Amino acid sequence: AQKITQTQPGMFVQEKEAVTLDCTYDTSDQSYGLFWYKQPSSGEMIFLIYQGSYDEQNATEGRYSLNFQKARKSANLVISASQLGDSAMYFCAMSAAQGGSEKLVFGKGMKLTVNP
Amino acid sequence: DSGVTQTPKHLITATGQRVTLRCSPRSGDLSVYWYQQSLDQGLQFLIQYYNGEERAKGNILERFSAQQFPDLHSELNLSSLELGDSALYFCASSVENWIPNEQFFGPGTRLTVL
Repeated sequence: AQKITQTQPGMFVQEKEAVTLDCTYDTSDQSYGLFWYKQPSSGEMIFLIYQGSYDEQNATEGRYSLNFQKARKSANLVISASQLGDSAMYFCAMSAAQGGSEKLVFGKGMKLTVNP
Repeated sequence: DSGVTQTPKHLITATGQRVTLRCSPRSGDLSVYWYQQSLDQGLQFLIQYYNGEERAKGNILERFSAQQFPDLHSELNLSSLELGDSALYFCASSVENWIPNEQFFGPGTRLTVL
């Protein structure tokens, strides 16, 4: 069974600094996807970044990058130049193949607070 | 705005009642996923439909059912509601079914069972 572990319950960072959010995963699948979603206090889930298990290069999307270390089974999210609007819950997720379906398995999330 | 719409945004009801949550996927997306987010269980996959057919089931209770209609919108039916069913219910959609790809989430329906 697939599992996502996010051990940091919460983090604080100063505005304009970089921050790394940790995520480790466990799967026996060869093909899988890793995702990060942001959930602000308003509740919606916002897709941030995706990394495929066969992608050689780390994914980047603007200020977000995913530090993918396959051997260590880690998929850490790096946010550069934090902004106040980055304060939110962040969820790491993995696509888990199930009978041809790609459901997402989520970690418990971690709360990021960006201080001015 | 993800392009996925969900109605209603909030729902307050009593134990034992039945409710229907509605989701319209992004234009062109054939897959619809339902997730439940609660304080104790976190975010859990419930069920997926692809082009009208049930594709996968997760931790969905027998009191819950879903369907996807020919126009691709989906409904999640929750019956004999219990206090523990209070949660945020998300619908997500994606284009493909067989390969990993991002799922776009709707704004959610917050269900409160009193």
